[in-house]
Amino acid sequence: NAGVTQTPKFRILKIGQSMTLQCAQDMNHNYMYWYRQDPGMGLKLIYYSVGAGITDKGEVPNGYNVSRSTTEDFPLRLELAAPSQTSVYFCASRRRQAIATNEKLFFGSGTQLSVL
Amino acid sequence: GQQVMQIPQYQHVQEGEDFTTYCNSSTTLSNIQWYKQRPGGHPVFLIQLVKSGEVKKQKRLTFQFGEAKKNSSLHITATQTTDVGTYFCAGGGRDDKIIFGKGTRLHILP
Repeated sequence: NAGVTQTPKFRILKIGQSMTLQCAQDMNHNYMYWYRQDPGMGLKLIYYSVGAGITDKGEVPNGYNVSRSTTEDFPLRLELAAPSQTSVYFCASRRRQAIATNEKLFFGSGTQLSVL
Repeated sequence: GQQVMQIPQYQHVQEGEDFTTYCNSSTTLSNIQWYKQRPGGHPVFLIQLVKSGEVKKQKRLTFQFGEAKKNSSLHITATQTTDVGTYFCAGGGRDDKIIFGKGTRLHILP
């Protein structure tokens, strides 16, 4: 199994450009998450999804959009890139438990994005 | 909204010394998870704590979950160079969000 796959690994954008960060998982996980990690900082939750067709905002959703048309894919869209969006973006997924406990997150290897 | 605070932000220890990082949540948690991130890598799951007052051990690592389910700690005994990295706690609530602390970056001095 590939696990969680993120593409691209690196990208440089100009201010105002748009792009989509791709995330796919092959573990049939219901839950998927997007985090950003600024240099030397922790992970901030951008958006998450508990299943196909369902998305919800996290801590820092402004400037981003997501969609979840399939269980496998959870793309993150930047419409008008700004320097403040320079960061490393991690996608993660987990199973849904039958009881009210969380399962561990499986992370992709990340996308390093620079907006200049 | 839910906030997870973690201290210290950085810790330098001599190899062989012990290390502890602390995590506090603004709300009661359903569970807490701990992750380790090596430099240049992605976070990797270490453990999950669910029960009030729970203590779990993994070799030299000891994890605790507070009685009120709002705080947690990770203690490493006799650190080794392989322990270098950033340790994150992540709080799980009833809304399916998983909120991370800022992490503690551990440096080992030989």
